[in-house]
Amino acid sequence: EIVLTQSPATLSLSPGERATLSCRASQSVSSYLAWYQQKPGQAPRLLIYDASNRATGIPARFSGSGSGTDFTLTISSLEPEDFAVYYCQQRSNWPSTFGQGTRLEIK
Amino acid sequence: QVQLQESGPGLVKPSETLSLTCTVSGGSISSYYWSWIRQPPGKGLEWIGYIYYSGSTNYNPSLKSRVTISVDTSKNQFSLKLSSVTAADTAVYYCARDSSEVLEGGDIVATNTFDYWGQGTLVTVSS
Repeated sequence: EIVLTQSPATLSLSPGERATLSCRASQSVSSYLAWYQQKPGQAPRLLIYDASNRATGIPARFSGSGSGTDFTLTISSLEPEDFAVYYCQQRSNWPSTFGQGTRLEIK
Repeated sequence: QVQLQESGPGLVKPSETLSLTCTVSGGSISSYYWSWIRQPPGKGLEWIGYIYYSGSTNYNPSLKSRVTISVDTSKNQFSLKLSSVTAADTAVYYCARDSSEVLEGGDIVATNTFDYWGQGTLVTVSS
């Protein structure tokens, strides 16, 4: 089973700043990596699929990059509604697995 | 707009079977794969398994011996049964649509990318 390690566990930033979240896989997942956003009491929301493709309706300030074992989710300029928990997920190897999450909090 | 809604008991006794149903509205259950995913309180996400509208299934090996997912296309619903539950099965259970990919020959395959989710339902295992 592939283990995804997300860093940092918590990221404290201010609105308007740039956020960079990392996800590292225990073995290559090619580009089969997705990012989800989860707000308290809500279901996860798909942001990015296959490493760099924005899902429908996702603002352009969200971007994904990487391949193999190292991936990054970047939020170019934080809006108040972006403060949430972010999860990466791989679908390269069976079974699909999720990272433990990065909490993005307001500084 | 596709919407998913989980339903079922919020409390299950240890050793009994957890049963949940997901009702899909705003679209047909056909031509997509559908998954169950769970999240223990304060923890991360775990994929449980998926079903195709035809009835074919695939389960996470860690839960395979205890999981059954079924579909009722006439009701646009799919269901989860998890047997012999313990406190470790306490979690918010989500149903989700797999974005599903149509191959060149017309076959549809699961992508394990989840584009629509239900709101989730908390199931507590306790006597």
